[in-house]
Amino acid sequence: GDSVTQMEGPVTLSEEAFLTINCTYTATGYPSLFWYVQYPGEGLQLLLKATKADDKGSNKGFEATYRKETTSFHLEKGSVQVSDSAVYFCALKIQGAQKLVFGQGTRLTINP
Amino acid sequence: EPEVTQTPSHQVTQMGQEVILRCVPISNHLYFYWYRQILGQKVEFLVSFYNNEISEKSEIFDDQFSVERPDGSNFTLKIRSTKLEDSAMYFCASTFARDEQYFGPGTRLTVT
Repeated sequence: GDSVTQMEGPVTLSEEAFLTINCTYTATGYPSLFWYVQYPGEGLQLLLKATKADDKGSNKGFEATYRKETTSFHLEKGSVQVSDSAVYFCALKIQGAQKLVFGQGTRLTINP
Repeated sequence: EPEVTQTPSHQVTQMGQEVILRCVPISNHLYFYWYRQILGQKVEFLVSFYNNEISEKSEIFDDQFSVERPDGSNFTLKIRSTKLEDSAMYFCASTFARDEQYFGPGTRLTVT
């Protein structure tokens, strides 16, 4: 079945460090790929998305490229801030389906 | 900015009791969803709802669960006879056109 695997957390970095959170997927169809972020006490917010191979999604300094050959959608940011501390979820949605399929989430903590 | 709201934020109930979790989706949205996240596990799809009927459901969504849009603004999830394993964070989501799903902050359900 369709599934998403994220790197194990928690991840702790210092401010201004480079961030990578790995995400790989298995899909039976042609998925759209998403990164959602959950700040403490809030709901899941869409951070970025990509709908086809080689698309790059970007938002708030974060970016991720849809790599069909490696079935990956790794999240990167060049210089993280304390305010980026949150839980990050990678997800996919198969074309024609309604549901999102989520990874297990990665908790990110940024220390000043 | 419009947002999805959920009430209550935390619900404690005894095993065997019925619970109703409430959501107010964004007003012009047409597709509605429930997801849940058991502590430490992935966010899982439960059900999607469109045009006053269930359009897709997971194997988790058995006869103990039901959804309703009683008045054109609320969207509810009912669990008829709660079990210990129903303890989880329940997220409501909505979308206008089956693209980006907007999530609420969640209701934490604790079954004792």
